[in-house]
Amino acid sequence: KAGVTQTPRYLIKTRGQQVTLSCSPISGHRSVSWYQQTPGQGLQFLFEYFSETQRNKGNFPGRFSGRQFSNSRSEMNVSTLELGDSALYLCASSPPSGGVSSEAFFGQGTRLTVV
Amino acid sequence: GQQLNQSPQSMFIQEGEDVSMNCTSSSIFNTWLWYKQDPGEGPVLLIALYKAGELTSNGRLTAQFGITRKDSFLNISASIPSDVGIYFCAGGSQGNLIFGKGTKLSVKP
Repeated sequence: KAGVTQTPRYLIKTRGQQVTLSCSPISGHRSVSWYQQTPGQGLQFLFEYFSETQRNKGNFPGRFSGRQFSNSRSEMNVSTLELGDSALYLCASSPPSGGVSSEAFFGQGTRLTVV
Repeated sequence: GQQLNQSPQSMFIQEGEDVSMNCTSSSIFNTWLWYKQDPGEGPVLLIALYKAGELTSNGRLTAQFGITRKDSFLNISASIPSDVGIYFCAGGSQGNLIFGKGTKLSVKP
């Protein structure tokens, strides 16, 4: 069974630009969560999508948004990029029986650098 | 908000040694998860715990869900070089997964 796939692996953007990251969950998983990982703040929860609806949301500004498609694939968008948005963005999917607080299987992440 | 205190922050291991790390919180969790992350990779799930008092093993790894539901520990027995990396605990409740800051395991020089 294929794992969680995130694309692209690396990205360099300029301040003020916007970026879209993609995540394909494990087949059969309908819950997709996004996390931001930085050395200073650790792993922080952004939001969770289930059946194309945002089910839970962390404490991030509105510049961070996401969506989920009918095939459970998810995208995350960050608008008006700031230097502080440089981070490893991780996507995780959870089995149908659980949600964001149950077993979460992570992708390799997208390393975003804002210059 | 909910916070997890994970300790130690870092430790050096010698091959063959046993290792212990733990996470504590003032909040109650329904789930405790333990992950390992290698540089440049995403966290890999090691052990998932769902019941207070539950003790679960995965090879040389053993983890327990504390009786109070506010803590969990992870033990690694007879460590080997490939055990180096960063270990994270995560507590789950009410649609939320909170992560500890991690324990960095390095090999003793």
